[in-house]
Amino acid sequence: KNQVEQSPQSLIILEGKNCTLQCNYTVSPFSNLRWYKQDTGRGPVSLTIMTFSENTKSNGRYTATLDADTKQSSLHITASQLSDSASYICVTRNPGPGGSQGNLIFGKGTKLSVKP
Amino acid sequence: EAGVAQSPRYKIIEKRQSVAFWCNPISGHATLYWYQQILGQGPKLLIQFQNNGVVDDSQLPKDRFSAERLKGVDSTLKIQPAKLEDSAVYLCASSFRAPGGTPETQYFGPGTRLLVL
Repeated sequence: KNQVEQSPQSLIILEGKNCTLQCNYTVSPFSNLRWYKQDTGRGPVSLTIMTFSENTKSNGRYTATLDADTKQSSLHITASQLSDSASYICVTRNPGPGGSQGNLIFGKGTKLSVKP
Repeated sequence: EAGVAQSPRYKIIEKRQSVAFWCNPISGHATLYWYQQILGQGPKLLIQFQNNGVVDDSQLPKDRFSAERLKGVDSTLKIQPAKLEDSAVYLCASSFRAPGGTPETQYFGPGTRLLVL
């Protein structure tokens, strides 16, 4: 069964500090991996998306890395801000029938709290 | 560009009652999704529409859940009758297929938070 596992489950850091969130996936064949940010009471918003040929991608203070060999991804947040407090969800895609794109597989997310 | 709209934002009902959620996707997005997100979990796909046709409803509890997208734009999701375990956030998302094989991005609405008592 294709799965996405994230760690830690929750994290508390001080404003201005850096942090790294981890994601392990088992889906094969690999299509792409996304990181979403979900603020409390809001829908998820896409931060980055990486295909198999990419091993790093940045979006402002967010940098995602991908190791397709070990099936691991990380999301690094630099100089955290209070507004970074949210759940960060790692998402891959199931292979669909006949080589088509299947459904998204969501991790449970890491709940990040940035304290002043 | 307006985002995905959902209503209501919150709903409290008693078990065995019925409830309906509405979603208006981003204009021009052919694909529409309904997800169920239980507290502390990632979203779980309930149903996917391509225009007004169902692409995947394999995880939709069809004995109590139904969804439609009659004109290929707005969509409604209904639960009848509701159970306690249906308490969750119901997210609607939409996407379009970009040319050249670019991975498509799903854009999510704010969700409807349902509490079944």
